[in-house]
Amino acid sequence: QPVLTQSPSASAFLGASVKLTCTLNSGHSSYAIAWHQQQPEKGPRFLMKFNTDGSYTRGDGIPDRFSGSSSGAEHYLVISGLQSEDEADYFCQTGGTGIRVFGGGTKLTVL
Amino acid sequence: QVQLVQSGAEVKKPGASVQVSCKASGYTFANYYIHWVRQAPGQGLEWMGCINPIGAGVMYASKFEGRVGMTRHTSISTANMELTRLTSDDTAVYYCAREPLASPGPLDLWGPGTLVTVSS
Repeated sequence: QPVLTQSPSASAFLGASVKLTCTLNSGHSSYAIAWHQQQPEKGPRFLMKFNTDGSYTRGDGIPDRFSGSSSGAEHYLVISGLQSEDEADYFCQTGGTGIRVFGGGTKLTVL
Repeated sequence: QVQLVQSGAEVKKPGASVQVSCKASGYTFANYYIHWVRQAPGQGLEWMGCINPIGAGVMYASKFEGRVGMTRHTSISTANMELTRLTSDDTAVYYCAREPLASPGPLDLWGPGTLVTVSS
């Protein structure tokens, strides 16, 4: 089954950029990846999904400060022009016709 | 407005069952799976299972097999999740989320969550 690995924490300064990484274990490269944001005391919100052709699609209302890319098994969420409200947990998620899987999440601190 | 609306918070005793509902609006219910995901206090997201609104086929995480049931009522665009034989470890916020049938994998809309507290 797919396994997603994320660093538990990251930090960056207000106005700067940060790149969060999500690594998918081998044998599941055909699975599409999604990123979700969870602000403190709130439910998750869909940010974007990566398609198997390398393109990505942002959710409705998600600003273009949020972008993504991938390289092999690694998938990246890049947040530019960090704002205080970007301080949150970020989860990657995948799954095909079988089970769905979440990464452990990265807690982003905006300094 | 495209949204998922969930039922209210529940407090249950150990051994009891709980049912959480999720009502969809603003989109065609039949075009999306409904998933259930839970989050225990201070923990990450845990996938529980999903239901296909067409034909009601279900898939459950092995951890919950035999204890969870998922149903849907297409006429009222509502999905339900029942969890039985509750223990304190089931105390969590339960979320529903949708996934397009046409592009399986990513969940692209979440409900607000339902807090279920299991306590004697």
